Amino acid sequence: AQTVTQSQPEMSVQEAETVTLSCTYDTSESDYYLFWYKQPPSRQMILVIRQEAYKQQNATENRFSVNFQKAAKSFSLKISDSQLGDAAMYFCAYNQGGSEKLVFGKGTKLTVNP
Amino acid sequence: DTGVSQDPRHKITKRGQNVTFRCDPISEHNRLYWYRQTLGQGPEFLTYFQNEAQLEKSRLLSDRFSAERPKGSFSTLEIQRTEQGDSAMYLCASSLALGQRSYEQYFGPGTRLTVT
Repeated sequence: AQTVTQSQPEMSVQEAETVTLSCTYDTSESDYYLFWYKQPPSRQMILVIRQEAYKQQNATENRFSVNFQKAAKSFSLKISDSQLGDAAMYFCAYNQGGSEKLVFGKGTKLTVNP
Repeated sequence: DTGVSQDPRHKITKRGQNVTFRCDPISEHNRLYWYRQTLGQGPEFLTYFQNEAQLEKSRLLSDRFSAERPKGSFSTLEIQRTEQGDSAMYLCASSLALGQRSYEQYFGPGTRLTVT
């Protein structure tokens, strides 16, 4: 079974600084997708960024970018110019091709200090 | 339509009672998902529907759980004979499938269930 591991239960960053959240996954499949979701306190989960495994180029969405290392099965999220509104739980998720199921890690709680 | 909605947002029930949750997906979305999230954990997949057909179920979905999507629009998740271990946040998500797969699941705010 596929598993997703987020080894940092909590992280903190100063406003305007850069922070990197780690994620590793275990799979024997070659067709899959990886996601980072953000869950603000008492608010619904939203998609931050998505990466297709077949793409070598790292995905980027404004201040958010990933470092996708397929051989190492690593998928880290970098947040640049951190803002107070970035404070949230961040979940890494895996989706195997052919299945609609998302497999989530346990999450990393990000605190942004003013 | 502003997003996925869920009702109720909070439910407190006594052990042994039945509860039912409702999810209204984004109107044009043909796929609907249920997840369960316990404290300190990421969401765990329970089941999903393509239109009214339930296509995938997790082993987490015991025989006390049943989900329906009768007309391919809203969905209900019923838990019979609730147990304290059922206490969790129940999340609904929807997506638009183009061809065989869909790419982004949009989540609702969740229903927090507390079983006393």
